[in-house]
Amino acid sequence: QVQLQESGPGLVKPSQTLSLTCTVSGGSIGSDSYYWSWIRQHPGKGLEWIGYIHDTGSTYDSPSLRSRVAISLDTSKNQFSLKLSSVTAADTAVYYCARALKDAGVGAFEIWGRGTMVTVSS
Amino acid sequence: DIQMTQSPSSLSASVGDRVTIACRASQDITPYLAWFQQKPGKAPRPLMFAASSLQSGVPSRFSGSGSGTDFTLTITSLQPEDFATYYCQQYKTYPFTFGPGTRLDIK
Repeated sequence: QVQLQESGPGLVKPSQTLSLTCTVSGGSIGSDSYYWSWIRQHPGKGLEWIGYIHDTGSTYDSPSLRSRVAISLDTSKNQFSLKLSSVTAADTAVYYCARALKDAGVGAFEIWGRGTMVTVSS
Repeated sequence: DIQMTQSPSSLSASVGDRVTIACRASQDITPYLAWFQQKPGKAPRPLMFAASSLQSGVPSRFSGSGSGTDFTLTITSLQPEDFATYYCQQYKTYPFTFGPGTRLDIK
């Protein structure tokens, strides 16, 4: 059974870079069949897709965050990562990683991590 | 970006009731519509993809329908564990976008 687990600092200072990792267990991240996404949820609010990466290394990021987002993949560790630069309080949110099955649609998020809360504050 | 709206924004119902939640997209997204259930402090749980294809393990009292820009999620015979917030999401066009959610409370 595939599981995803987010990890990273829970507190980031304004203007710094938020760095999170999603570790995949129970399956290989290096499969052509899947797309790996980051999604966030501001406190008490709805969901916002950040971007995805495929094991070929191809990525697509939401235009609203594109200038600040970098998503990468480490197949040797079975992990993928998110870096969000120049953070402000508006980036305070629960961050989720998720998997989509290519054949179902790259945005069909079928498996989610539990999420990790990141607060941007000095 | 494709805008997603949901109605109602909140809903009170009783165990055993049948409820319907509507989702509307700002343009045609057929069939790339998903539904999620979220409980407080938990990750969203996928219920359905392609508007009406139930995910494995999701009870058959959940059903989805619709096409074009208008979709619905129906829950027949509400159970206590169904009280949660429900989100629709389009995955036809980048960026993928979610509806604002419908909160389903116990009456």
